[in-house]
Amino acid sequence: GENVEQHPSTLSVQEGDSAVIKCTYSDSASNYFPWYKQELGKRPQLIIDIRSNVGEKKDQRIAVTLNKTAKHFSLHITETQPEDSAVYFCAASNLNAGNMLTFGGGTRLMVKP
Amino acid sequence: SAVISQKPSRDICQRGTSLTIQCQVDSQVTMMFWYRQQPGQSLTLIATANQGSEATYESGFVIDKFPISRPNLTFSTLTVSNMSPEDSSIYLCSVVAGNGYTFGSGTRLTVV
Repeated sequence: GENVEQHPSTLSVQEGDSAVIKCTYSDSASNYFPWYKQELGKRPQLIIDIRSNVGEKKDQRIAVTLNKTAKHFSLHITETQPEDSAVYFCAASNLNAGNMLTFGGGTRLMVKP
Repeated sequence: SAVISQKPSRDICQRGTSLTIQCQVDSQVTMMFWYRQQPGQSLTLIATANQGSEATYESGFVIDKFPISRPNLTFSTLTVSNMSPEDSSIYLCSVVAGNGYTFGSGTRLTVV
């Protein structure tokens, strides 16, 4: 089955700096790669996703890149703000087959004002 | 995309008892996924529930502990049986909907 590794487990940045979180996956059949943000006591919320036919996707301060050959994908947050502080999870699945999501271990991002 | 109503949102239970969690989807879906999120951890898949067949459990999870029902294409239940404090977690259901996945709001279970 799919295995997703996520690094780093914790990340501390100064407000205004960029943050990068990286994930690798094992199953070449995976074609859908979402990123979730989870604030304390709440369910994970989708913030951006990318499919295997695209190399990069951007939404305001958030971008995701995908390298299918190397089987890794990354989340980039620019101009970080204190409200970006949360736990971020990457995940992977074969969405076309309707398979389950496999999650990475999570990254606790702390943005210091 | 689909909307999931998950109940209860939270509960505090005595050890040795059982709790049944319900998820109702506003559209018909083939598969429903049940996840567990232990404190400070990531989401781990417990099982995949298909309508009309037995659920498929992931390694480390067994039917006697986490029985699942899937009576139709819009509804499923997960029971946490003979609970111990180690079962204290958030439990979430999820479905494939639209171009991605939808999650229920979660059930925060505390076992005392």
